Amino acid sequence: AQRVTQPEKLLSVFKGAPVELKCNYSYSGSPELFWYVQYSRQRLQLLLRHISRESIKGFTADLNKGETSFHLKKPFAQEEDSAMYYCALRDSARQLTFGSGTQLTVLP
Amino acid sequence: KAGVTQTPRYLIKTRGQQVTLSCSPISGHRSVSWYQQTPGQGLQFLFEYFSETQRNKGNFPGRFSGRQFSNSRSEMNVSTLELGDSALYLCASSLTGTGRSTDTQYFGPGTRLTVL
Repeated sequence: AQRVTQPEKLLSVFKGAPVELKCNYSYSGSPELFWYVQYSRQRLQLLLRHISRESIKGFTADLNKGETSFHLKKPFAQEEDSAMYYCALRDSARQLTFGSGTQLTVLP
Repeated sequence: KAGVTQTPRYLIKTRGQQVTLSCSPISGHRSVSWYQQTPGQGLQFLFEYFSETQRNKGNFPGRFSGRQFSNSRSEMNVSTLELGDSALYLCASSLTGTGRSTDTQYFGPGTRLTVL
């Protein structure tokens, strides 16, 4: 069975500092990977997916199949980035498996 | 375009009862997925419906069931409630559920179920 691991439950950085949220996965097939974000009192929403190779709100994530990682990065964190971030993997049956989440706090 | 709506938003039940939760997807979306979110287990996939058919099912007991109607609205039912069923139940809709770059999954606000 697949697994998604987010080793940090809590992460604090100062405004303007780089931030990296770690995500590692285990899956025997070819995975589709996503990052979801939940801002305070808002719904869970898709941030980005590896297929699109996009940058959303300054965030990027690169799929590293060798290290089975999909870390989320932003060079300069903003206070509005404070939120709960979930890494998720979609398998061949289209089932989403979520990591346990990382609560990011960007300090002023 | 109206977002995904879920009713009720909050629910309190006692052990042994059964409960039905409702989810109305975004207009035009045909795929509806359900998730259970708890502090201990995190977000776990329950099942997915597409065009009134269950297309995928997570690892939950048979007490958890669902259905989808011809208008894509979906309901999930939990019978013989247990204390451990207390959770936030989220539904999400997408056009086809394929996960392609053009098919984003949109989440509802959730139904908070408390079992006493």
